[in-house]
Amino acid sequence: QVQLVESGGGLVKPGGSLRLSCVASGYTFTDYFMSWIRQTPGKGLEWVAYISSSGGAIFYADSVKGRFTISRDNTENSLYLQMNRLRAEDTALYYCARSDAYPDFWGQGSLVTVSS
Amino acid sequence: DIQMTQSPSSLSASVGDRVTISCRASQGISNYLAWFQQKPGEAPKSLIYDASTLQSGVPSKFSGSGSDTDFTLTISSLQPEDFATYYCQQYYSYPWTFGPGTKVDIK
Repeated sequence: QVQLVESGGGLVKPGGSLRLSCVASGYTFTDYFMSWIRQTPGKGLEWVAYISSSGGAIFYADSVKGRFTISRDNTENSLYLQMNRLRAEDTALYYCARSDAYPDFWGQGSLVTVSS
Repeated sequence: DIQMTQSPSSLSASVGDRVTISCRASQGISNYLAWFQQKPGEAPKSLIYDASTLQSGVPSKFSGSGSDTDFTLTISSLQPEDFATYYCQQYYSYPWTFGPGTKVDIK
């Protein structure tokens, strides 16, 4: 069965960095695009970034452009999100999601808290 | 960006009720709309894509309809396991955007 397991979340100070990872199993990783989507009680669900199966096409939400970098390692069935210059408003539960046309399967999420 | 709205924001219903949730896009999105169910402490689960196509494994009590800007999710006979929050999402253009959710709870 499809499994997506995120890790790497935690508490970080404003301006700091964090790297999230997501390991996929139960399907052919290279057949699918992947996304990061975050959720907060206040702002709800917010799509963050998207990467094609080869990594050749990448899109970001304006709110994270220039600060976050999505990448993938198809040899390790892994997706990453490098988050730099973190702000309080980046505090959220971050999900990785298998995505082609839409996010059809989601991991359980990794909590990122940005606070001094 | 395409704004997604949902109504109602919450509703109370009884087991066996037929429930309808509306989703509206700020501009036409053809049928590029998905519906998700989220229970407390869990990740969102895909129910419907392309506005009306049931995700594999999702029971047929769920159905979706609509196109362009107006969409509907219907649960034909509400069961205890259906009490959750439901979200719509457009994938017509980037950035993908989600509705604010409709919470369905027990009357």
